[in-house]
Amino acid sequence: GQNIDQPTEMTATEGAIVQINCTYQTSGFNGLFWYQQHAGEAPTFLSYNVLDGLEEKGRFSSFLSRSKGYSYLLLKELQMKDSASYLCAVRDDDYKLSFGAGTTVTVRA
Amino acid sequence: IAGITQAPTSQILAAGRRMTLRCTQDMRHNAMYWYRQDLGLGLRLIHYSNTAGTTGKGEVPDGYSVSRANTDDFPLTLASAVPSQTSVYFCASSTSGETGELFFGEGSRLTVL
Repeated sequence: GQNIDQPTEMTATEGAIVQINCTYQTSGFNGLFWYQQHAGEAPTFLSYNVLDGLEEKGRFSSFLSRSKGYSYLLLKELQMKDSASYLCAVRDDDYKLSFGAGTTVTVRA
Repeated sequence: IAGITQAPTSQILAAGRRMTLRCTQDMRHNAMYWYRQDLGLGLRLIHYSNTAGTTGKGEVPDGYSVSRANTDDFPLTLASAVPSQTSVYFCASSTSGETGELFFGEGSRLTVL
């Protein structure tokens, strides 16, 4: 089975940095994904890690440690539009994706 | 540019009724998925299809069935709806490239009374 944990909520100030942690215990591993979902909308792809280390994409970075079953998503220079849910997801050996419950980030002025 | 189209967007349904949620993609992706999203539980996989003609069960398949007659269409059927199937349903497809990220439809909000 899959067990993916991430905090339920986080609040940060505009311009600040927020780090969303995700820990996982899964049967098989074939990549870790982060998705962004604004309220009432569909999730959209943010990042993908399959090897250990940091992947940077503009203001967003994602880190993976496979030995620790750990990932984080780093959001820098926060903007109001970054207020959303952030979903951690792990792909298994059958290429099926399992999601955590999501972290709701609220950015305050 | 369509991507993935789901229908209906929203539906209220009486318990015991049969309902089919439609999903069509125009990206020629091989793999397609149905998820339900409930508050506090996140996205849970109902059924999936790795290629036309094949389907598989996900984490919460009971009460649902799917078919994949061709690459583009992946309908989800509730044979006899129950109130616990009230949820937002997302259809998704994925590429077969290195990343293979999911592309989601806009969702179908289903309420079973």
